[in-house]
This record gives sequence, C-alpha cells and structure tokens, in this order.
Amino acid sequence: QKEVEQNSGPLSVPEGAIASLNCTYSDRVSQSFFWYRQYSGKSPELIMSIYSNGDKEDGRFTAQLNKASQYVSLLIRDSQPSDSATYLCAVNSGTYKYIFGTGTRLKVLA
Amino acid sequence: NAGVTQTPKFQVLKTGQSMTLQCAQDMNHNSMYWYRQDPGMGLRLIYYSASEGTTDKGEVPNGYNVSRLNKREFSLRLESAAPSQTSVYFCASREGGEQYFGPGTRLTVT
Repeated sequence: QKEVEQNSGPLSVPEGAIASLNCTYSDRVSQSFFWYRQYSGKSPELIMSIYSNGDKEDGRFTAQLNKASQYVSLLIRDSQPSDSATYLCAVNSGTYKYIFGTGTRLKVLA
Repeated sequence: NAGVTQTPKFQVLKTGQSMTLQCAQDMNHNSMYWYRQDPGMGLRLIYYSASEGTTDKGEVPNGYNVSRLNKREFSLRLESAAPSQTSVYFCASREGGEQYFGPGTRLTVT
C-alpha cells in the first residue's frame, strides 16, 4: 500500500466549476499536510498547508482534513484554465521526512 | 530575494562521469532537501540536511553524496553517473513545516 495515494486523473472540469482533489494517507501519526501545484516542466509550488481537522480557506482554495478517516482534500472554486496543472499532496509525521503522492492532473476546460 | 536557486538547469552526462548539482537559498532556512522526480513515482527524498553541518540519508541515497557547505548551500554529487539517475532533481528548503522548491535540474545520463 502506498503511503500517500492520489488518483492520477486527469480530472476534467469546466471553467467556473469546483474542482475536488483527494488524497489518502496511511500513517496515523501524520501531523501536517500540504498541497502543491506543479505546472508541466516546472517545480512544485506550495499552495496550501493544513494542520488540524476541518477546513482552511485561502482565496479560491479550500483544504479539508479528516484525520479519523485519513484523508485530505483540496477544493478549487471558480476553476480557471490557468489552474490546469498536477496537484501534489504531501504528508509530514513531525520528522524531517515528507511523503509525496504521485499527483492528480487537473484539466480545466474553457 | 531569489528563494531557492539551482544550477545547472539542464545537464547531459555519459555513464561514469561525475558532476555536482548546486543549490542555494537566501531565506535563512535551517533545513534543506534533495529530491528526484520520475514519471509515475512522485518525489523521492535523496538526502536532507536538518541544519548546517548535518546530513542524513533519505529514501534513495545510493549513488549520491551531499555537502552542506554552509547555511545557504547544499550540493548533490554524482560520483559515477548511471542511466538510472536520469531524472529531474529538485532542491528544497524548509521553514516551519513548509517546503519551498528550487526550479530543478533536468539530468540525462546516456
């Protein structure tokens, strides 16, 4: 079983819709959770971090964490073609080690 | 404020050649990381440095060495390159729980 799992996609949504990206993790002691956006040929860019159960909103982005169910999600409201990228989920267990998922490719259709 | 910088951007090596990938950060972060990213495998940790003067192995350290030259700089050396080391290499630095990535080095070993 992979430690951090994401559906590889592509997830296709129309412009203006809500994109929902999901990530599950296996280590119950995981403490901090991150979403990165990676455009093709570029480096990962941190867009959200979340440390406690519930929702965290930042502009059009909302991260949701449910530690009991071991999943974290990212909602993108009013999706734009410029949001088309691969989204990486990363998990940290309080050490120096971060585990990354393989990413979900999002395509926003104009 | 350049963030995390990496050199070179691209490199082609022949099997058995050596090279050093350079990374520097100007954010005064203590921790620095080297990852490789391969299709379908996500980001995998090669080495990390929790602070100046310390380095530790990550998930895939074989064939690599690192040097934490000072707080700003963390280099990755391939002593005898192999085709299996063809990859994109990212350096990152860490503040609190959040990692920030450099632009990457695309390495091809023939």
